[in-house]
Amino acid sequence: EVQLQQSGAELGKPGTSVKLSCKVSGYNIRNTYMHWVNQRPGKGLEWIGRIDPANGNTIYAEKFKSKATLTADTSSNTAYMQLSQLKSDDTAIYFCAASRGTRTWFAYWGQGTLVTVSS
Amino acid sequence: DVVLTQSPATLSVTPGERISLSCRASESVDTYLHWYQQKPNESPRLLIKYASQSISGIPSRFSGSGSGTDFTLSINGVELEDLSIYYCQQGNSLPYTFGAGTKLELK
Repeated sequence: EVQLQQSGAELGKPGTSVKLSCKVSGYNIRNTYMHWVNQRPGKGLEWIGRIDPANGNTIYAEKFKSKATLTADTSSNTAYMQLSQLKSDDTAIYFCAASRGTRTWFAYWGQGTLVTVSS
Repeated sequence: DVVLTQSPATLSVTPGERISLSCRASESVDTYLHWYQQKPNESPRLLIKYASQSISGIPSRFSGSGSGTDFTLSINGVELEDLSIYYCQQGNSLPYTFGAGTKLELK
């Protein structure tokens, strides 16, 4: 069974950074893309970007190019997302998501990490 | 970016009825259109992939249709557990995008 286990809630001050993790079990992340999606309070889903853990190649949605940095550690089967220069509107739940191979849908989701930006 | 427009935003339903939710794309996404269900305080769950392909473990009352720009998610016999928000997502071109969602509520 494939499971994605995300790190715990974060409280970040404006202007600082946070780094979220997503540990995958039951599947080798070298064989998939790892995606990140956010959901602001009471709002819909927004795709942030993806990483190919096999080679580190990343693609970001335009609005997140200077906000998010995706990395992956294949030795620990874990994907990471760093959010920089935090602002209040970065407050959201951040999900990691994946499917076997390079599918364009998301069959597996983490439980989400709540990031709250507040001074 | 491909814009996905879902309608209606909210649908009031009676258990047992058949309903249809719409998702329209601003340009053709072929059949790279997928549907998700999200219940409060839960992660989204994949319901339908490639517009009409069923997913293991998803009740057979859920079905999808469409191609190009117009897509439909149907629920044949709504149950109380189906009261959720439904999102469509396109995987035809990057960046992947989601619709704003349709919320099913009890009439």
